Amino acid sequence: AQKVTQAQTEISVVEKEDVTLDCVYETRDTTYYLFWYKQPPSGELVFLIRRNSFDEQNEISGRYSWNFQKSTSSFNFTITASQVVDSAVYFCAPIPGFQKLVFGTGTRLLVSP
Amino acid sequence: DADVTQTPRNRITKTGKRIMLECSQTKGHDRMYWYRQDPGLGLRLIYYSFDVKDINKGEISDGYSVSRQAQAKFSLSLESAIPNQTALYFCATSDHEVSEQFFGPGTRLTVL
Repeated sequence: AQKVTQAQTEISVVEKEDVTLDCVYETRDTTYYLFWYKQPPSGELVFLIRRNSFDEQNEISGRYSWNFQKSTSSFNFTITASQVVDSAVYFCAPIPGFQKLVFGTGTRLLVSP
Repeated sequence: DADVTQTPRNRITKTGKRIMLECSQTKGHDRMYWYRQDPGLGLRLIYYSFDVKDINKGEISDGYSVSRQAQAKFSLSLESAIPNQTALYFCATSDHEVSEQFFGPGTRLTVL
């Protein structure tokens, strides 16, 4: 069975702080994909990144970076120099094997000025 | 215009009523999905369809039914609504099993 865990329910930071959101995906599958989605207060879901289980290179996109370590089953997301607009719920969502997207319970990030 | 639209955006109904939520997309994707979101539970898959002739149950299909009227349209029905179906419902599309999903704006449903 697969299990995705976002242990941090809510994180509060002050603007310009760096923040890391944790995601642990436990599976026996050797092939899978991992996604991160953002849900701002307006409610829509925004795709951020997709990685496959064979690619452990870190990914950087502007202030966002992702660190995938298969050995520890972790796919963590770091926001550098956080901004108020980063306030949202962030979901880690794996696709086990070639099955269906499974969402974690989400981490609510609050960035205050 | 939005690529994935949902109607209505908000709906309040009473227990026992039949209700239909509609989803339309202009992305040309074959795959469409219905999810519900409850506080603290993330999104859970209700039904999905890989093409017009394909309908599959998801994690929580009991109490729901769907209809894929065309490639662009996927409707979710609650035959007899109950209060614990109060939730935020999202429709999504994708062009491949492992590609990103594009989500509609959501429908907030309240069952009294």
